[in-house]
Amino acid sequence: GDSVTQMEGPVTLSEEAFLTINCTYTATGYPSLFWYVQYPGEGLQLLLKATKADDKGSNKGFEATYRKETTSFHLEKGSVQVSDSAVYFCALSIAEGGSEKLVFGKGTKLTVNP
Amino acid sequence: DGGITQSPKYLFRKEGQNVTLSCEQNLNHDAMYWYRQDPGQGLRLIYYSQIVNDFQKGDIAEGYSVSREKKESFPLTVTSAQKNPTAFYLCASSIDPRSRVSGYTFGSGTRLTVV
Repeated sequence: GDSVTQMEGPVTLSEEAFLTINCTYTATGYPSLFWYVQYPGEGLQLLLKATKADDKGSNKGFEATYRKETTSFHLEKGSVQVSDSAVYFCALSIAEGGSEKLVFGKGTKLTVNP
Repeated sequence: DGGITQSPKYLFRKEGQNVTLSCEQNLNHDAMYWYRQDPGQGLRLIYYSQIVNDFQKGDIAEGYSVSREKKESFPLTVTSAQKNPTAFYLCASSIDPRSRVSGYTFGSGTRLTVV
């Protein structure tokens, strides 16, 4: 079935370091791909998305490119801040039974130290 | 501002009791979803609804029930049949259930603890 695999955390970085969180997927058809962020005690917020191959999603300095050939959607940021500390979820969207359904990875916890 | 409101934020339940978690949205979204989040397991789909008066089971529906009498409301009842209900529950909505590009809007969650 359709699935998402994220790199396991936790990931700990110093402020201004480069961030990569790996995400690969398995899907039939052509899913859309998403990154969501969850701050402590809160719900998930959409960070960025890409709906077709070679699309690049970007927001708040984060980027991810939809790579069909490697079935990947890795999240990157050039210089992280303490405020980026959160859990990051990669997800794919499929149309199943006439309804959109999101399939999530297990999440990667990021801690950024000053 | 439009959004999804979940209440209460914290809920305590005695064993053997049913409890209902509220989810209300003013986004005029057609589809609504309930997820359960446990540490290290990501999000698992409990129930979803594409239109009023219709809903489908997700991957872990046993021990849960829902209703969708109004477009803006999708309450979740955790019944006594749910053996391990302690978790963080998230409600979400999407504007068009037939789309695969819209993504979801999430509420801020309800943390349920069995005491």
